[in-house]
Amino acid sequence: DAGITQSPRHKVTETGTPVTLRCHQTENHRYMYWYRQDPGHGLRLIHYSYGVKDTDKGEVSDGYSVSRSKTEDFLLTLESATSSQTSVYFCASRGLANEKLFFGSGTQLSVL
Amino acid sequence: LAKTTQPISMDSYEGQEVNITCSHNNIATNDYITWYQQFPSQGPRFIIQGYKTKVTNEVASLFIPADRKSSTLSLPRVSLSDTAVYYCLVGDIELTGGGNKLTFGTGTQLKVEL
Repeated sequence: DAGITQSPRHKVTETGTPVTLRCHQTENHRYMYWYRQDPGHGLRLIHYSYGVKDTDKGEVSDGYSVSRSKTEDFLLTLESATSSQTSVYFCASRGLANEKLFFGSGTQLSVL
Repeated sequence: LAKTTQPISMDSYEGQEVNITCSHNNIATNDYITWYQQFPSQGPRFIIQGYKTKVTNEVASLFIPADRKSSTLSLPRVSLSDTAVYYCLVGDIELTGGGNKLTFGTGTQLKVEL
């Protein structure tokens, strides 16, 4: 499996606080994605990146921002966390010519 | 972007063949069809991918009719360990640069019993 790790694995925070989730991959993959998963909604795309400093919005981008300053790292930031952002967040990556998405193990975020 | 529709859930018994169909009526010419499997508390993992006709690997087969408006994932002789959520993903994986959104549907919860 591709080397893709997410940190932290679990986080509890309070409404209104900023939160940053990190995704790190060691495969030199060009494309990286952030998804959230909630019961009844499957996986929903938040933001994705198609290269260093190249990002675009997904289906549910409101309230989230991302940054990609290096190929291996893709950060997801909740500027002011809300309870509706309580979810499991998955990061994924894939190479230029590789059809597979490789997923991290997920981050369980609880906003109280 | 091609929207996908799958059954919410399916039940089966060990040893049976399971077929999960995904509908994608507005699939684009350059779109590929990929299936992923997800176990609880894990990220999804790749099962199989195809563009048209039939594709088979060591774990599954993928059937795609000529009009490509649907696809069927076939799991032969399922076991308890195949209990998972299965996602159909349709997207242009060869597209470079921006516009490379890969969006999932709600998935199909497969439950396999003895």
